Amino acid sequence: GDSVTQMEGPVTLSEEAFLTINCTYTATGYPSLFWYVQYPGEGLQLLLKATKADDKGSNKGFEATYRKETTSFHLEKGSVQVSDSAVYFCALGNTNAGKSTFGDGTTLTVKP
Amino acid sequence: GAVVSQHPSWVICKSGTSVKIECRSLDFQATTMFWYRQFPKQSLMLMATSNEGSKATYEQGVEKDKFLINHASLTLSTLTVTSAHPEDSSFYICSARLLGTANYGYTFGSGTRLTVV
Repeated sequence: GDSVTQMEGPVTLSEEAFLTINCTYTATGYPSLFWYVQYPGEGLQLLLKATKADDKGSNKGFEATYRKETTSFHLEKGSVQVSDSAVYFCALGNTNAGKSTFGDGTTLTVKP
Repeated sequence: GAVVSQHPSWVICKSGTSVKIECRSLDFQATTMFWYRQFPKQSLMLMATSNEGSKATYEQGVEKDKFLINHASLTLSTLTVTSAHPEDSSFYICSARLLGTANYGYTFGSGTRLTVV
């Protein structure tokens, strides 16, 4: 079945540091890939997405590229801010089944 | 667009009582909604798929008689936790997908924090 493996956390960075959160997946067919962000006490918000190989999703300074050859969708940001502190979930969308498979989440803490 | 409203945001109830959580798609129609459960510092676990006008599809290990799901209209799905016990305390989140947008991700509700005392 489908699965998503995410880099274990927690991750603690200083403000303006470079961020990478690794995500790899296993899936049949041609899934869409997503990154969601969850701030404390809140639900999930879609951060960015990519629907086919070599697509790059980007939003709020975050980027991720759909790499079919390495089955990866790593999240990056060049300069993190304290307000980026949250839990980040990598997810796979199986269009046939209509449901998402989530990674375990990575907690990011950015210190001033 | 594509806003999902979940209510209540938090609820405390006594053991043995039932609690209903609502999930509404505010500006779109959703034939399918999904209910997830999240334990502290853990990922989301899909509980069931709610289908408008038909029975919900439950994931393995989820008690359908305990977690009743009703999807009576294209904009509303409800999850009722029946005879709640402290181990049912958790964060419950619903999500929905805009029709015809399989590749565009899912919109999530803000979640409901359930505490059973």
